[in-house]
Amino acid sequence: AQKVTQAQTEISVVEKEDVTLDCVYETRDTTYYLFWYKQPPSGELVFLIRRNSFDEQNEISGRYSWNFQKSTSSFNFTITASQVVDSAVYFCALSGPGQGSARQLTFGSGTQLTVLP
Amino acid sequence: GAVVSQHPSWVICKSGTSVKIECRSLDFQATTMFWYRQFPKQSLMLMATSNEGSKATYEQGVEKDKFLINHASLTLSTLTVTSAHPEDSSFYICSARGGLAGSWTQYFGPGTRLLVL
Repeated sequence: AQKVTQAQTEISVVEKEDVTLDCVYETRDTTYYLFWYKQPPSGELVFLIRRNSFDEQNEISGRYSWNFQKSTSSFNFTITASQVVDSAVYFCALSGPGQGSARQLTFGSGTQLTVLP
Repeated sequence: GAVVSQHPSWVICKSGTSVKIECRSLDFQATTMFWYRQFPKQSLMLMATSNEGSKATYEQGVEKDKFLINHASLTLSTLTVTSAHPEDSSFYICSARGGLAGSWTQYFGPGTRLLVL
């Protein structure tokens, strides 16, 4: 069975601070895919990143960076110099390699990030 | 690219009526579409997975006679909530995944807020 844990329910930071959102996953698959999605107050989930289990290179995209560590089963997300527009719920998700239901997304419970001006 | 639309975005209806929600992939062919339900401050709950031209696969506990899903084409899936009741009030979100080999990313629609009076 797959499981995604986002232990931080809510985080508040002041604008321009850096913030890291934690994600820990469990899976028996040797090949799997990890995702981060952003859900702003409007409700639409915005795809941020997909990471394959065989690629442990960290990734940076503007103010966003992701740290994938298979040894600790973690896929953490850091926002540098946070902005008010970053306020949203962030979901980490996991899917397996196979067909059908194995490729469904297992979502974490989400982290509500509030960036204060 | 990878845009998914949903219609309507808001619906208010009386108890006992049926409501149809459309999900369209606008710029890609979606061989698989997913329907989720989300209650306030909670994560997404997968209701069903539908593949074009075949019957939907429902998650445990989801009534297939109440939540009718049709995936008639590679760009359109519909969810019909039959004989809606107040407890069906929720945020319904669809997602779509393309048919290309290795297309693991789900792209989400903007969601439909259903309020049953």
